[in-house]
Amino acid sequence: DAKTTQPNSMESNEEEPVHLPCNHSTISGTDYIHWYRQLPSQGPEYVIHGLTSNVNNRMASLAIAEDRKSSTLILHRATLRDAAVYYCILIQGAQKLVFGQGTRLTINP
Amino acid sequence: NAGVTQTPKFRVLKTGQSMTLLCAQDMNHEYMYWYRQDPGMGLRLIHYSVGEGTTAKGEVPDGYNVSRLKKQNFLLGLESAAPSQTSVYFCASRPPGQGYEQYFGPGTRLTVT
Repeated sequence: DAKTTQPNSMESNEEEPVHLPCNHSTISGTDYIHWYRQLPSQGPEYVIHGLTSNVNNRMASLAIAEDRKSSTLILHRATLRDAAVYYCILIQGAQKLVFGQGTRLTINP
Repeated sequence: NAGVTQTPKFRVLKTGQSMTLLCAQDMNHEYMYWYRQDPGMGLRLIHYSVGEGTTAKGEVPDGYNVSRLKKQNFLLGLESAAPSQTSVYFCASRPPGQGYEQYFGPGTRLTVT
């Protein structure tokens, strides 16, 4: 399974944008890039996914590098409820999610 | 829609006891998954199923068995519980295809003493 690399932790302030990076240098052409987040004591929650083009939804934006070897999850205006562990995951043919350590995001009031 | 539900929410077992965790989904999803999450770690895949009557091993299948007799249910069994199986167990489901998200249940917290 292709690996992703994320910073262990990041910190931001409420109502400011947050850019969460992910490196996936061994990505193959058919891999989708998915982002999930896990709030304390809850199951993971889907955030966004993409293949080649940048994507926007009500929760976040996903910016994918032209060579697809990295991507960035963008929370446009962080709130305290966005404090969570964020996972960047590549989905391959078997449709299995392989979770790394993720990035623990702290939001300061 | 209830989404993905898990039963029970909490359980304490003694070493050597057996139990079954039930996962149910009402979204008519083909694929279902069982993960475990140890403290401070990401989720690890135990077993998964791509359709009724089919199951496959994930990353950490030892000590667990699964069954998918009905499309909406995915059962995870522990035949002889060990302290190393103390963990939080999450079930998930999704439609087939790479572009679809997984929907997760709320988790079952299992302690084996």
